[in-house]
Amino acid sequence: AQTVTQSQPEMSVQEAETVTLSCTYDTSESDYYLFWYKQPPSRQMILVIRQEAYKQQNATENRFSVNFQKAAKSFSLKISDSQLGDAAMYFCAYRRVGKGSRLTFGEGTQLTVNP
Amino acid sequence: KAGVTQTPRYLIKTRGQQVTLSCSPISGHRSVSWYQQTPGQGLQFLFEYFSETQRNKGNFPGRFSGRQFSNSRSEMNVSTLELGDSALYLCASSLGGPPDTQYFGPGTRLTVL
Repeated sequence: AQTVTQSQPEMSVQEAETVTLSCTYDTSESDYYLFWYKQPPSRQMILVIRQEAYKQQNATENRFSVNFQKAAKSFSLKISDSQLGDAAMYFCAYRRVGKGSRLTFGEGTQLTVNP
Repeated sequence: KAGVTQTPRYLIKTRGQQVTLSCSPISGHRSVSWYQQTPGQGLQFLFEYFSETQRNKGNFPGRFSGRQFSNSRSEMNVSTLELGDSALYLCASSLGGPPDTQYFGPGTRLTVL
C-alpha cells in the first residue's frame, strides 16, 4: 500500500521569506501523480500544485514550486515570498495512475506566517 | 465554472440515527470521491463513483454507503451513527480520466451526540 509522510507537523516563516515543506512517499508504482493541497481555517481544500511522476521537470505555480526527487521518493514544496494568506494546513497527496485510484494523504503540516 | 458544492454544511445528529450528505460536482466532471477527515485519523478515502458506478472503496464499514445519479451528483449515507463518525466529510470531483485532478467542496461538518 502507498503511504505518504510529512515529518514536519508545524512550520513557521516570516512574511516575504521562503519556506520549504517536506514530503516523502512509498510506492512500488512507476507512474503516479503527486499533489500539494492547502486547507485554510475555512477547511476548504485547495489545490496548490500537481506533479506527474513521468515528468522530470519540477512543477511551478507562481510563488509555489516543488522539488521532485523520484529516486528518493521525495516531494517538497517551496513557498517563496510568503504571504499572510499562505497560512494554512498543507497536505501532500499521492494518486496512482489508472481507473479507480484514490488520493492518499500525508498527516499535514501547519504553516504559520508571521508578519 | 461553479465549484463543488456540498449540502448541508453542518449537521448535528444523535447516535443511532442515519444521515445523508449531498455533493454536486463541477459541471462536466463525472467522478465523485468522498473523504472523511478527523483529527485522529486524518484524511481517509471512503469511496469513488464514476458514471453512477462505485469503482473504488476504502476501508469503512458497510454503514457507509453512497450512490451517484445520472447528473453526476452524489450522495453519501451513514446509518446507525456512532460518536466516532463525527468528522468533516469532503467531496471531490474530477473528470474521471488522466490526470484526474480532484477538486474539493467546502465539506459537511457532522457532529454525532
